[in-house]
Amino acid sequence: QLQLQESGPGLVKPSETLSLTCTVFGGSITSRGYYWGWVRQPPGKGLEWIGSIHYSGSTYYTPSLRSRVTVSLDTSKSQYSLKLNSVTAADTAVYYCARDQGNFEIDSWGQGTLVTISS
Amino acid sequence: DVVMTQSPLSLPVTLGQPASISCRSSQSLVHSDGNTYLIWFQQRPGQSPRRLIYKVSNRDSGVPDRFSGSGSGTDFTLKISRVEAEDVGIYYCMQGTHGPGTFGQGTKVEIK
Repeated sequence: QLQLQESGPGLVKPSETLSLTCTVFGGSITSRGYYWGWVRQPPGKGLEWIGSIHYSGSTYYTPSLRSRVTVSLDTSKSQYSLKLNSVTAADTAVYYCARDQGNFEIDSWGQGTLVTISS
Repeated sequence: DVVMTQSPLSLPVTLGQPASISCRSSQSLVHSDGNTYLIWFQQRPGQSPRRLIYKVSNRDSGVPDRFSGSGSGTDFTLKISRVEAEDVGIYYCMQGTHGPGTFGQGTKVEIK
């Protein structure tokens, strides 16, 4: 059964870069039919799509974050990563990694990790 | 971006009674490939979201048959035929037809 697990610092300073990794267990990160994505949820608020990557290297980023986001893949480790630069308090959120079947059809989520932006 | 609007935002329900959540999109969710990428997620307290329904009305494996999805175009509905205690949580609709995928605000289902 597929499992996704986020890892990374829980506290990042303003203006710095948020970096998270998602490790994929029980499934192949090189499966053609899937994209590997990131979604976030600010405390007490709704869900926001961030971006995703296909094993071919194709990426999609939500326009509002595109200038600050990079999603990359390490197939040798069955991992993919999120980098969000120039963070502010507004980027404080639970960050989820998620598998996308295409057309943003998420079928599996990680447990989420809270990242707080604070000095 | 496509705006997804859910109603109600809070839904107190009596155990064993039906519940219905509406989701409306700011534009048609019919994709050029003929599919309608409308998904329903359940987020129980302290948990990550779980997909219940995809492509409007297809129930995921393991999802009880008391959950059903319907709708077309811009209007969609999630129904719970008989609410059970384990159904407490926040329900989100999401569209994937027009990038980026966007979510509704969420509907909080609680037991009266």
